[in-house]
Parts: sequence; C-alpha cells; structure tokens
Amino acid sequence: NAGVTQTPKFRVLKTGQSMTLLCAQDMNHEYMYWYRQDPGMGLRLIHYSVGEGTTAKGEVPDGYNVSRLKKQNFLLGLESAAPSQTSVYFCASTSRFGAGGGDEQFFGPGTRLTVL
Amino acid sequence: GEDVEQSLFLSVREGDSSVINCTYTDSSSTYLYWYKQEPGAGLQLLTYIFSNMDMKQDQRLTVLLNKKDKHLSLRIADTQTGDSAIYFCAENNYGQNFVFGPGTRLSVLP
Repeated sequence: NAGVTQTPKFRVLKTGQSMTLLCAQDMNHEYMYWYRQDPGMGLRLIHYSVGEGTTAKGEVPDGYNVSRLKKQNFLLGLESAAPSQTSVYFCASTSRFGAGGGDEQFFGPGTRLTVL
Repeated sequence: GEDVEQSLFLSVREGDSSVINCTYTDSSSTYLYWYKQEPGAGLQLLTYIFSNMDMKQDQRLTVLLNKKDKHLSLRIADTQTGDSAIYFCAENNYGQNFVFGPGTRLSVLP
C-alpha cells in the first residue's frame, strides 16, 4: 500500500495564479481532509469530506475549493493564489469513526507551496 | 470552540526523559492522540488513549491522562537524538474532525 500520496511536493506560484493539489489514498478510507500547517499554529483544517461526492468547510476554507469525485481522491484548488496561502499543505484520511476506536489519521508527505 | 494547547519548545539531554504536556478544552473528547512529525514529513501516529484510561504505556512512551484537569502528557524515556521532532497532541470525540495543538518542537542535545 502506498498510503496517502500528494502531488506535487513543491510549487511556486505568482499572486493570482491557480493550481490544484491532488491527494490520493489506497486504503478505502471514507474520510479525507486538507490541512495547512504554519509555524506555531499547528494544523488548521481547510476542508474535509466524509465520503465520495461530499465536501464540507473546515476552520479556514476561504480562498480554497475542494472536490471528491472519486472515493480515493481529494482535490484542493486555489483559484487565485495569495501570499497568505504560502504554507505546507497536508492531506489525511481515516476510516469511518467508531469502526474500531482510536481511529488514526494517515497523513501524506505534504506539499510546500510558496506564493510570490 | 474546541482548543488544544501545547508549549512550543522543549530541550532535553540525550538519555534523559522528556515530558511533553497538552491541555484541551473539550470535556467530551473520547480519544486523545500523540503524533510525531519529522522534518519534511507528514504526521505519524505515535499512540492514543481512550478517555476512560488514566495511563497507557508502550515501550519508551508513557501517556498520562488527567480527565478532570483536561491534561494529557507524553513521557519519552531515555530520549535519543532520533526523537528530535515536532510532537502534536490531538483530540477527537467520535466526530468527523480532529483538533490539533500547535505542536511541541523537541530538541535532543548530545
């Protein structure tokens, strides 16, 4: 199993450009998440999905959109990048809660995005 | 809303014990977790504890939970240089979302 993979690993954008980050998981997990990590602020949830075709807003959704057309993929889009979106982005997935307790979130390796 | 707090930095000498502390506000938290993040990598689950437990031990790791004070700690015995990383506390209540603390950067000095 590859677990959770993210592409790309690094990206530099100019202000106003758009891009899509791809997350894929091969564990048949129901739940998928996008976080951003900034120094001293830990992980902040951007959007999440509880199943194919569903998405929901997290703590910091503004400026981002997501789609979950297939169960194994969760896409994060930036329509018009801003310098404040410079961050490290992590995707995570987990199985349905209550399935066994102590449900673990499996994380991808991260995408380091710089917006100039 | 729910909140998880941690001190941001901790330095210890190699061979000493490390204790990383966490406080949380959600009294209905069911599971509490410790994740480790090494440089340039994603988070990996170290251990978790169910809210009806006071303590959990796993090799060099000991987790203590004081539910009354909403305080969680992670003790690493015989800390090694390979333990240098950022440690995140997180909580969940059978909900869809996890709430993470800001992370504690552990530096192990030779």
